[in-house]
Amino acid sequence: ELKVEQNPLFLSMQEGKNYTIYCNYSTTSDRLYWYRQDPGKSLESLFVLLSNGAVKQEGRLMASLDTKARLSTLHITAAVHDLSATYFCAVDTYNQGGKLIFGQGTELSVKP
Amino acid sequence: DTEVTQTPKHLVMGMTNKKSLKCEQHMGHRAMYWYKQKAKKPPELMFVYSYEKLSINESVPSRFSPECPNSSLLNLHLHALQPEDSALYLCASSFGRVREKLFFGSGTQLSVL
Repeated sequence: ELKVEQNPLFLSMQEGKNYTIYCNYSTTSDRLYWYRQDPGKSLESLFVLLSNGAVKQEGRLMASLDTKARLSTLHITAAVHDLSATYFCAVDTYNQGGKLIFGQGTELSVKP
Repeated sequence: DTEVTQTPKHLVMGMTNKKSLKCEQHMGHRAMYWYKQKAKKPPELMFVYSYEKLSINESVPSRFSPECPNSSLLNLHLHALQPEDSALYLCASSFGRVREKLFFGSGTQLSVL
């Protein structure tokens, strides 16, 4: 069974600091998604990582994918309060029915 | 139009009620999905429609009944729900069913009393 594990599950950071969220998965996949969710709201697509070594950046967030290590990272640079949300990674299981398998989510709280 | 629209946004129903959730997209997507999400948990896939045919049913109880009348619309009919069915129900769509980015609607927050 495919497992997707995020680390940490909860992250409290101060504004201006840097941190990384990790997403490990247990089976072969070359496509991974990062989503952001504010409380009670929908999922907003942040990044689509399509191949080994892919790196995408948007503002203070940068995501990367290492398919050999089955690892994706979401790096936060100089955090601001507006980044407070829950972040999910999701792995494409194209060789197992094409379902997206989500990680547990990382709840990020950025404090002044 | 790049949105997935869900109605209603909030729904409170009793255990004997029948209600329906609606989802609409006009992006030409041919795959549509229902997800259930409990607070502080990841979304759980319920159903997938591909080209208006049900292609995945994740062993969802029969009190949830999906319907895809056409390529732009997706309904979820609810009957005799239990309090534990209270959750955020998210609709999503994608161009194809496999290896395509999902676009999510804003969800229906359902409370079953």
